[in-house]
Amino acid sequence: GAGVSQSPRYKVAKRGQDVALRCDPISGHVSLFWYQQALGQGPEFLTYFQNEAQLDKSGLPSDRFFAERPEGSVSTLKIQRTQQEDSAVYLCASSSALATNEKLFFGSGTQLSVL
Amino acid sequence: DQQVKQNSPSLSVQEGRISILNCDYTNSMFDYFLWYKKYPAEGPTFLISISSIKDKNEDGRFTVFLNKSAKHLSLHIVPSQPGDSAVYFCAASANSRGGKLIFGQGTELSVKP
Repeated sequence: GAGVSQSPRYKVAKRGQDVALRCDPISGHVSLFWYQQALGQGPEFLTYFQNEAQLDKSGLPSDRFFAERPEGSVSTLKIQRTQQEDSAVYLCASSSALATNEKLFFGSGTQLSVL
Repeated sequence: DQQVKQNSPSLSVQEGRISILNCDYTNSMFDYFLWYKKYPAEGPTFLISISSIKDKNEDGRFTVFLNKSAKHLSLHIVPSQPGDSAVYFCAASANSRGGKLIFGQGTELSVKP
């Protein structure tokens, strides 16, 4: 498809389980972002890639969160030893530009529920 | 520390009337502002943006106003249509390398026929 694709659409995990969330950005988009959106809140920045380089990971809540984009296209957000407070929608977004003020194209998100 | 605030969680307007959504920010380093629209079960989609060197940007039925001295921006939708019913997020950028947008909490707009 032409848009940002995320999988799975829904993920239910038991507390303590590891999860991996995938993002396929728009082809050719240089910049890739991960955001976390809790219920009733706006998206909160997690991390940012420019091609394969992770330029900003200041938003990752703890060292249980890890993101990678090894070939500069597909990205994976991994959460180890999930906790209930990790329950949220995880949004991936991509942009064609290196400049920060270019509009982002968002995927539909992965809704993570940790029981 | 909420750097971008949307103090109205919801707004209801009649079809054909004007919708005004408000956003306040605290960080004076922000120099680019965007509005995103989100339907249920979908990701946010870009609506309109404004640079801090301007005080108004218009795109069809949508106009964004920026008041830098008050650190306030607003989105006007005229005339409002039922299809405009969605959650609207205000976002801001400090134009530094790093690319992150800071989002407000969102305002749910309901346009009644």
